[in-house]
Amino acid sequence: EAGVAQSPRYKIIEKRQSVAFWCNPISGHATLYWYQQILGQGPKLLIQFQNNGVVDDSQLPKDRFSAERLKGVDSTLKIQPAKLEDSAVYLCASSLEQAGGVDTQYFGPGTRLTVL
Amino acid sequence: GEDVEQSLFLSVREGDSSVINCTYTDSSSTYLYWYKQEPGAGLQLLTYIFSNMDMKQDQRLTVLLNKKDKHLSLRIADTQTGDSAIYFCAESNDTGGFKTIFGAGTRLFVKA
Repeated sequence: EAGVAQSPRYKIIEKRQSVAFWCNPISGHATLYWYQQILGQGPKLLIQFQNNGVVDDSQLPKDRFSAERLKGVDSTLKIQPAKLEDSAVYLCASSLEQAGGVDTQYFGPGTRLTVL
Repeated sequence: GEDVEQSLFLSVREGDSSVINCTYTDSSSTYLYWYKQEPGAGLQLLTYIFSNMDMKQDQRLTVLLNKKDKHLSLRIADTQTGDSAIYFCAESNDTGGFKTIFGAGTRLFVKA
């Protein structure tokens, strides 16, 4: 089965510019996650979707970050405007469902963002 | 809030056993996980353990859980150079919304 796809793999922008990342989860996976992984740290959840509804966006800096998951499949994460501290790898993950059972998440390769 | 802590670095010789340790604070953890991340790749689930278990074995991997001390460990037997990667401990619970918290990762370096 195809894994989680993300694009672009790398992006370099200047501060105050905008950037968007795209994620295509594994077919049939209801739950989609966006994580921010700063160098030397573990992934930090930014937003979690269940189908096309938001389950948790408590750690999403909503003044500059936005995300959507139209039709409950693909998702985009946008940063506008970017700051130097947004330099990180942005990971997308998906899982079959959230039903209180084991949460096996499948991760994409990530998008490495460098803000200059 | 919930926290997961790991040592940052471990170096072993090829053929030896590796033991990666993790502590967590959430007493209502339901599942605990070990993920592996190779350079330039996303995380890959290696194994998980339910909180009412104290041990799980899967081929070369042994997971030990001490729920009283909130301590989780991953033992890799006969460590190979291909095991060199970052290993993340994570925990999830189903109170107040199902959420997985990751540690900062332990970088395992295997010397030939």
